[in-house]
Amino acid sequence: DAKTTQPNSMESNEEEPVHLPCNHSTISGTDYIHWYRQLPSQGPEYVIHGLTSNVNNRMASLAIAEDRKSSTLILHRATLRDAAVYYCIPRLKHNFGNEKLTFGTGTRLTIIP
Amino acid sequence: NAGVTQTPKFRVLKTGQSMTLLCAQDMNHEYMYWYRQDPGMGLRLIHYSVGEGTTAKGEVPDGYNVSRLKKQNFLLGLESAAPSQTSVYFCASSYSILAGGRSNQPQHFGDGTRLSIL
Repeated sequence: DAKTTQPNSMESNEEEPVHLPCNHSTISGTDYIHWYRQLPSQGPEYVIHGLTSNVNNRMASLAIAEDRKSSTLILHRATLRDAAVYYCIPRLKHNFGNEKLTFGTGTRLTIIP
Repeated sequence: NAGVTQTPKFRVLKTGQSMTLLCAQDMNHEYMYWYRQDPGMGLRLIHYSVGEGTTAKGEVPDGYNVSRLKKQNFLLGLESAAPSQTSVYFCASSYSILAGGRSNQPQHFGDGTRLSIL
């Protein structure tokens, strides 16, 4: 499995954009980058995933570096509800027989009102 | 939308007792998973199932058994609970790997079962 490095914690002001970085320098060419988040006392929640190009959905944007060794999850306008632990997870494009998600310790995001 | 439902939400056991955790999903997902999360750590996969009647070991399967008799249910059993099994247990489900021609189907998680073993 590719290894990831994320900051242990970050803080951001409410209603401002948040950029959550992830380093995955050992990623293979067939690994997608997935992001999940875990709100307090809840199970993880899927946020977004991508392979090479930037991706957008209703929750966030994902910017993937050209060399794919790093990516950034972007929350465009943070709210208090976005306070959570964010996990960056490489995942094989076709992970037959390897269905697990490998969670690290993630980044704990605190939103300041 | 119920999604993934786990029962019970909390339980305290004594060492040596047995119990079963139930996971139910109403999204017609083929794949189901059991993870555990210890304080300050990420989730680790215990067992998973790619379809009714099939199960497979994950990263930390020792001390646990599972069954998938119906597509919508995935049971996790502790035959003889040990204090090391004190944890929060999460169930998840997803479509099969290539559902609709798309790989990397996201997993949908329940809210967890908090289990303490004394």
